[in-house]
Amino acid sequence: GDSVTQTEGQVALSEEDFLTIHCNYSASGYPTLFWYVQYPGEGPQLLFRASRDKEKGSSRGFEATYDKGTTSFHLRKASVQESDSAVYYCALSDRNYAQGLTFGLGTRVSVFP
Amino acid sequence: DMKVTQMPRYLIKRMGENVLLECGQDMSHETMYWYRQDPGLGLQLIYISYDVDSNSEGDIPKGYRVSRKKREHFSLILDSAKTNQTSVYFCASSLSQYEQYFGPGTRLTVL
Repeated sequence: GDSVTQTEGQVALSEEDFLTIHCNYSASGYPTLFWYVQYPGEGPQLLFRASRDKEKGSSRGFEATYDKGTTSFHLRKASVQESDSAVYYCALSDRNYAQGLTFGLGTRVSVFP
Repeated sequence: DMKVTQMPRYLIKRMGENVLLECGQDMSHETMYWYRQDPGLGLQLIYISYDVDSNSEGDIPKGYRVSRKKREHFSLILDSAKTNQTSVYFCASSLSQYEQYFGPGTRLTVL
């Protein structure tokens, strides 16, 4: 079955640090890839998505590039702020969105002033 | 304003009691979902509903059932709740493959 692996479970950073969260996937088809962000007390919300090889998704200074060769979709941000503290989920939708999303385990990002 | 609502937000039940979690959406989305979120396990899909009275099991349906009698409402039912069903439950809806909209979650504690 499909799976998503996020390497980092927790990341602690200072403001203005560079953030990278690694995401690798396994899927039988050609999935659409997503990054979701979840703030405390809220449900996950879409950060951005990418559907084709080499497509870059971006939002709020975050970005990730779909790489079919390495089956990766790593999240990056050049300069984090305290307000970026949240849990980030990589997810995929394989062919039929109505089957639901397959999520990674999430990465808790804590940014300290 | 696209919105998914969940009621109640917090619920404490005793083992063996029945539980009803409600979800509503105002976007006329056909497809709705129930997930549970547990530490170390991420989000796991319980049930999917494609429209009224058209439901399908997700990855972890055991111990749960669902009901969808109106497009805008999707209920998750636990008959005789168990302690291992303590979790945070999220409802979501979608119109396309490009985004699922999540509700704020219900934190259920089964004692």
